[in-house]
Amino acid sequence: AQSVAQPEDQVNVAEGNPLTVKCTYSVSGNPYLFWYVQYPNRGLQFLLKYITGDNLVKGSYGFEAEFNKSQTSFHLKKPSALVSDSALYFCAVRDPTKGSARQLTFGSGTQLTVLP
Amino acid sequence: DSGVTQTPKHLITATGQRVTLRCSPRSGDLSVYWYQQSLDQGLQFLIQYYNGEERAKGNILERFSAQQFPDLHSELNLSSLELGDSALYFCASAPSATLLEQYFGPGTRLTVT
Repeated sequence: AQSVAQPEDQVNVAEGNPLTVKCTYSVSGNPYLFWYVQYPNRGLQFLLKYITGDNLVKGSYGFEAEFNKSQTSFHLKKPSALVSDSALYFCAVRDPTKGSARQLTFGSGTQLTVLP
Repeated sequence: DSGVTQTPKHLITATGQRVTLRCSPRSGDLSVYWYQQSLDQGLQFLIQYYNGEERAKGNILERFSAQQFPDLHSELNLSSLELGDSALYFCASAPSATLLEQYFGPGTRLTVT
């Protein structure tokens, strides 16, 4: 079964500093990986995805993520954090070899707080 | 704004009752997904419809059911409600069934008292 873990419930970073939100996954095949962001009282917004190709994926709002197959990780990064980046971040995984499992499995979420 | 609409925004009802949540996907999207978000269970996939047909089932209770209509809007029916059903219910839409990207609605907050 596919699974995804976000080991940190909360990440605090100062504005202007680089940020990293961690995600590790477990699937039997090559994964499809996603990051979503949720602002208060809003639905989830798609940030970026990795399907195949370059391990460094660039997404919306200056975010990027690095796929590391050997470490089964897909950490979200941004070079310089903004206060407006404060939100709940979800990593999600899908195993494309499971034709019947047309669903994403989401991590538990990481609350990012960027301090001014 | 994702283009996905959900009604109502808030719903307060009593245990044992039945409610219907409605979702209109983005224009042109054929897939609709329903999710439940609660503090203790996190974000859980419930069910997917593609062009009117059920495609995938997740952790959906037997008391819950859904359907997608010919105009592609979808409804999630929750019956015999329990306190533990209180949660945010999201719908998401996607252009196809292959799930490369989803667009989430703002959610319906259900409170069961």
